[in-house]
Amino acid sequence: EVELVESGGGLVQPGGSLRLYCGASGFTFSSYTMNWVRQAPGKGLEWVSLANGGSTTIYYAGSVKGRFTISRDNAKNSLYLQMNSLRDEDTAVYYCAKGWGHFDNWGQGTLVTVSS
Amino acid sequence: EIVLTQSPGTLSLSPGERVTLSCRASQSVSSSYLAWYQQKPGQAPRLLIYGESSRATGIPDRFSGSGSGTDFTLTISRLEPEDFAVYYCQQYGASPWTFGQGTKVEI
Repeated sequence: EVELVESGGGLVQPGGSLRLYCGASGFTFSSYTMNWVRQAPGKGLEWVSLANGGSTTIYYAGSVKGRFTISRDNAKNSLYLQMNSLRDEDTAVYYCAKGWGHFDNWGQGTLVTVSS
Repeated sequence: EIVLTQSPGTLSLSPGERVTLSCRASQSVSSSYLAWYQQKPGQAPRLLIYGESSRATGIPDRFSGSGSGTDFTLTISRLEPEDFAVYYCQQYGASPWTFGQGTKVEI
């Protein structure tokens, strides 16, 4: 059974940094593209970033490009999101999700709150 | 970026009814790379339909997707109590992948 578990969220001041983690199990992690998708409180879904299995293809949404960095460690079945220069509008639940294009498995999410 | 507009914003229905949700794209979605998700309060989204009309694993056949180009539809043939939720469409034909704003199906 596929399982994705996020952690690393919390309260951070504007301009601060945070690193999110997603641990994966139940599938061959290195063979799949992984994504971060976020959802602001009471709002819709926003795709944030993806990394393919070998990290040779990496994309970002325009709203986070230059501030966020996605990475993965296939030996540890882990996905990361380094978030720098955080803004109020980055407040959201961050989900990791498996798949290229469409997302067939999701974690339960980790809440990031950016506030002074 | 491709903007997806879903309509209506909210639907008030009863169990047993047939539902049609609309998703319109600001430009043609390449090769019908269009997906639909269901999200219930406090839960992660769940993939229902991908590639415009293929059902994800475990999704009952009362859910169906159709459309092409810029106009797509999710149909629920007969609403079950567990189907009351928010539904999102998503395109993955061109980066950045984008979602519609969602349609809430309520009792």
